[in-house]
Amino acid sequence: AQSVTQLDSQVPVFEEAPVELRCNYSSSVSVYLFWYVQYPNQGLQLLLKYLSGSTLVESINGFEAEFNKSQTSFHLRKPSVHISDTAEYFCAVSASGGYTGKLIFGQGTTLQVKP
Amino acid sequence: DADVTQTPRNRITKTGKRIMLECSQTKGHDRMYWYRQDPGLGLRLIYYSFDVKDINKGEISDGYSVSRQAQAKFSLSLESAIPNQTALYFCATATSAGTDTQYFGPGTRLTVL
Repeated sequence: AQSVTQLDSQVPVFEEAPVELRCNYSSSVSVYLFWYVQYPNQGLQLLLKYLSGSTLVESINGFEAEFNKSQTSFHLRKPSVHISDTAEYFCAVSASGGYTGKLIFGQGTTLQVKP
Repeated sequence: DADVTQTPRNRITKTGKRIMLECSQTKGHDRMYWYRQDPGLGLRLIYYSFDVKDINKGEISDGYSVSRQAQAKFSLSLESAIPNQTALYFCATATSAGTDTQYFGPGTRLTVL
């Protein structure tokens, strides 16, 4: 079975500052990893995902995440945030080898970008 | 038009009432899911369906039932609603192609008084 822990429930940051949202996972098998974003009053949208290959994956709006197998982490980073990045961010994991067809989500991290 | 739609978007009901939440998708995906979201708990899986004849319980299925009427439609029912079922409910879809990427609807906010 897999589990996901997002280490911060809320991350306040000023506009144009860098940010890191932390995600650790637990799994006995190989995994796929995902970050989803939920803007206020909306559903979840896929931000980026790691399936295989390069351990650094990027989104179209400047976020990046690095898969670290030894530390079982998939932290999300952005070098300079905007007010529009204010949202809730969810890390998720699935088992790539066994392919359960299910995602396990973390508890979510609220990113609050202040002017 | 949105690929994954949910109706209603908001619903207030009373304890003991039967409620149905509906989900429709135009993405042509085989797999459909129902989650509930509670503050501080993230998303928890209620039921999932890999095709019309394959329905499975998730981690919190007690008090809920589902119906997969067609590939494109997946309904969630609360047979006798209780206040602790007050939550935001999301439907999601995925292909059977094997990467588990899921696509979410806009959500239904359910309040049980």
